Amino acid sequence: DTAVSQTPKYLVTQMGNDKSIKCEQNLGHDTMYWYKQDSKKFLKIMFSYNNKELIINETVPNRFSPKSPDKAHLNLHINSLELGDSAVYFCASSQRGGGDTQYFGPGTRLTVL
Amino acid sequence: AQTVTQSQPEMSVQEAETVTLSCTYDTSESDYYLFWYKQPPSRQMILVIRQEAYKQQNATENRFSVNFQKAAKSFSLKISDSQLGDAAMYFCAYRGGSQGNLIFGKGTKLSVKP
Repeated sequence: DTAVSQTPKYLVTQMGNDKSIKCEQNLGHDTMYWYKQDSKKFLKIMFSYNNKELIINETVPNRFSPKSPDKAHLNLHINSLELGDSAVYFCASSQRGGGDTQYFGPGTRLTVL
Repeated sequence: AQTVTQSQPEMSVQEAETVTLSCTYDTSESDYYLFWYKQPPSRQMILVIRQEAYKQQNATENRFSVNFQKAAKSFSLKISDSQLGDAAMYFCAYRGGSQGNLIFGKGTKLSVKP
């Protein structure tokens, strides 16, 4: 049983396209996150949702729009993809927003050509 | 703002030996949590160990232990009896008591020599 799953694992697309990455967790957690890992392996928070409500929205271009249809799902939609969007995107979840451990999905490697 | 610093971009250890990875952080909060995550070539982020700041006792998980020095804001990871499977990127991360997201260091790439 996969705790946090993401689809797709790999995504190759052309500049200017729109794409979505889906995330699902079966841990019963209340909080979900999107992180971006750049080419130098640096990980940074993008968004956080708690019970479908956006609670963290870092300085991210508004081409990125998260959507949480329910507390088990957090999707990431990206409009007008740019070369600089190429990265690995990780979804994660935790029980609460405090000190609980975050569990990560396998990551989605996005390559924009 | 909180920051996490890992001063060793790369480290190397002989199989069966012990290695220590350094991490320092900066915060004005008194309630927080610290983590070490491992990222092997498969890119999966795997929790190695977790430390609550209010606990003085250092966390241990089998061959992995931390040296948590709260006053010095230091949180180093010791790996004993290193194994080939320990080769990976290791990330130190901070999480405030009131804020959910993790703040990561830049990582240390650990190589294990047979």
